[in-house]
Amino acid sequence: NAGVTQTPKFQVLKTGQSMTLQCAQDMNHNSMYWYRQDPGMGLRLIYYSASEGTTDKGEVPNGYNVSRLNKREFSLRLESAAPSQTSVYFCASSRPGTTPYGYTFGSGTRLTVV
Amino acid sequence: AQSVTQLGSHVSVSEGALVLLRCNYSSSVPPYLFWYVQYPNQGLQLLLKYTSAATLVKGINGFEAEFKKSETSFHLTKPSAHMSDAAEYFCAVSEGYGGSQGNLIFGKGTKLSVKP
Repeated sequence: NAGVTQTPKFQVLKTGQSMTLQCAQDMNHNSMYWYRQDPGMGLRLIYYSASEGTTDKGEVPNGYNVSRLNKREFSLRLESAAPSQTSVYFCASSRPGTTPYGYTFGSGTRLTVV
Repeated sequence: AQSVTQLGSHVSVSEGALVLLRCNYSSSVPPYLFWYVQYPNQGLQLLLKYTSAATLVKGINGFEAEFKKSETSFHLTKPSAHMSDAAEYFCAVSEGYGGSQGNLIFGKGTKLSVKP
């Protein structure tokens, strides 16, 4: 029972480089999310995917793109990394139903852009 | 629009003392409310949730929270702090379970320190 798996766990990028953060869940959840966590800012939603085949912007989407590859996988891409994107990124998934079940989170990716 | 305010970015208690972490919400509809805990260098783990059943909600590790509609609050408490409770705690709100309404909006977090 792996839950939500994120790769890589750590990454250092130079300004202008691109990279993709990977996320996979094995709980058959419909919805998946990408958040960034910055000190004193809590978690802010970047993009979400309510179901396979759909994606929508969250609070802070600029500079990011996402792909819902299939029901299990939801990737986050930084096309041209900037120092302002230095953060901890969390992927989460949830199973919508008659009452919210809350989210299951991955362990995070620590990204530093120099 | 829904929002969450956590009062106090840092709270320090002595081991064995009462833990009280404050959360106030703003929502245009009856909300769903959550508390998450984050230990250092880990992801977030669900502590407890309110989904319009009992107003007093019990969670893991001895934590509980009470939904008070008149005060728009959902404060987290634990009668006796343990060293292992040192972590960051996040309150979150959602207004539904589908589409954007189901998205969780998080507070900025409260870091709990426990002194021996």
